[in-house]
Amino acid sequence: EVQLVESGGGLIQPGGSLRLSCAASGFTVSSNYMSWVRQAPGKGLEWVSVIYSGGTTYYADSVKGRFTISRDNSKNTLYLQMNSLRAEDTAVYYCARERDHSSSSGGMDVWGQGTTVTVSS
Amino acid sequence: QLVLTQSPSASASLGASVKLTCTLSSGHSSYAIAWHQQQPEKGPRYLMRLNSEGSHTKGDGIPDRFSGSSSGAERYLTISSLQSEDEADYYCQTWAAGRVVFGGGTKLTVL
Repeated sequence: EVQLVESGGGLIQPGGSLRLSCAASGFTVSSNYMSWVRQAPGKGLEWVSVIYSGGTTYYADSVKGRFTISRDNSKNTLYLQMNSLRAEDTAVYYCARERDHSSSSGGMDVWGQGTTVTVSS
Repeated sequence: QLVLTQSPSASASLGASVKLTCTLSSGHSSYAIAWHQQQPEKGPRYLMRLNSEGSHTKGDGIPDRFSGSSSGAERYLTISSLQSEDEADYYCQTWAAGRVVFGGGTKLTVL
């Protein structure tokens, strides 16, 4: 079964760090484009970061310089290292798979269930 | 700038049909998009990929009641024979080199 399971969320103080994990099963993380997407309370979906199958990474301006996306091919797991956390980073964080960014194969076709990050003192 | 625009809300009666719209920004009318559904208190679910010609590829288990179409810069999601479980938020998503963009979402109410 194709599945993504996030973990690592929690309550963290402003300025703190947290690492989220996304364990994949049924497919190979490194053969796909993998993204993190977040949703603040009562708000819409916001793309955070993507790692391409070739390893190139991109970030939304709101997290650039503070967040780092990575993967461990041996564990088939995606990560998001979040540093210098702010109150506005409070959200449910989802990982999602895309085959690539072509018109015939793009689009996030597998989603995890999400993990909640709360940044508050 | 690549932007997706969606109406904030829509409503339709049980058993009826509804057509949701996602509009691509100027200069991006050839882009494909994906539609996602988010039921209350749940994570998003992939519905389909939809290209500029109206060809769509649905996700596993997505009922035939869900279909997609395109016209110019507009991408549509049509849901027929509305059921109570179709009450949800619907998001369109697109992609370009180094970025992913979501529309603001449409909250669908089934009356």
